[in-house]
Amino acid sequence: NAGVTQTPKFQVLKTGQSMTLQCAQDMNHEYMSWYRQDPGMGLRLIHYSVGAGITDQGEVPNGYNVSRSTTEDFPLRLLSAAPSQTSVYFCASSYSSGGGEKLFFGSGTQLSVL
Amino acid sequence: RKEVEQDPGPFNVPEGATVAFNCTYSNSASQSFFWYRQDCRKEPKLLMSVYSSGNEDGRFTAQLNRASQYISLLIRDSKLSDSATYLCVVKRQAGTALIFGKGTTLSVSS
Repeated sequence: NAGVTQTPKFQVLKTGQSMTLQCAQDMNHEYMSWYRQDPGMGLRLIHYSVGAGITDQGEVPNGYNVSRSTTEDFPLRLLSAAPSQTSVYFCASSYSSGGGEKLFFGSGTQLSVL
Repeated sequence: RKEVEQDPGPFNVPEGATVAFNCTYSNSASQSFFWYRQDCRKEPKLLMSVYSSGNEDGRFTAQLNRASQYISLLIRDSKLSDSATYLCVVKRQAGTALIFGKGTTLSVSS
């Protein structure tokens, strides 16, 4: 079982460059989300989606775009990278189970913006 | 005030100790509650859900106090392998994403 596949694992960008972090899940989950994790800040929600064609902003959406054209894929786009976007990024998908949700995470992307 | 708050620690305990972590949340409409575990440089993984009546999974016990908007995690007979960061997680309502606390770091030593 692939679960949640997140690529790339590592990326170095120059300020102003754009790139897309890929996220795909094969569990037919409706919910998908992107988080960033910084030292001392914990996991912060960037964007999330409750289904194909539906996305919403999280706590720190500025500088990032998302789209959800299929149930499986939820890419995160950095439009013009800034050093403040240096972070570890996690994609996650989830289903509702017993009234709650269990999040399945990708293995993360370490992004450095110089 | 952050929506989910935890004592960051670190908590340094010997093997066999009992340790408790606390978490508070600010949104009284929150519906679901969880504890996740994150090992260094790894992705978070679900440890257990938290139910109003309290629930136990082996050495781990979770409690929820809706009136005080307070969640706790108790670990009994700590093992070296329990060393990790424990994340308190809250879901506001159906159709929304999960909100994470900053995490509490536990280090268990022999």
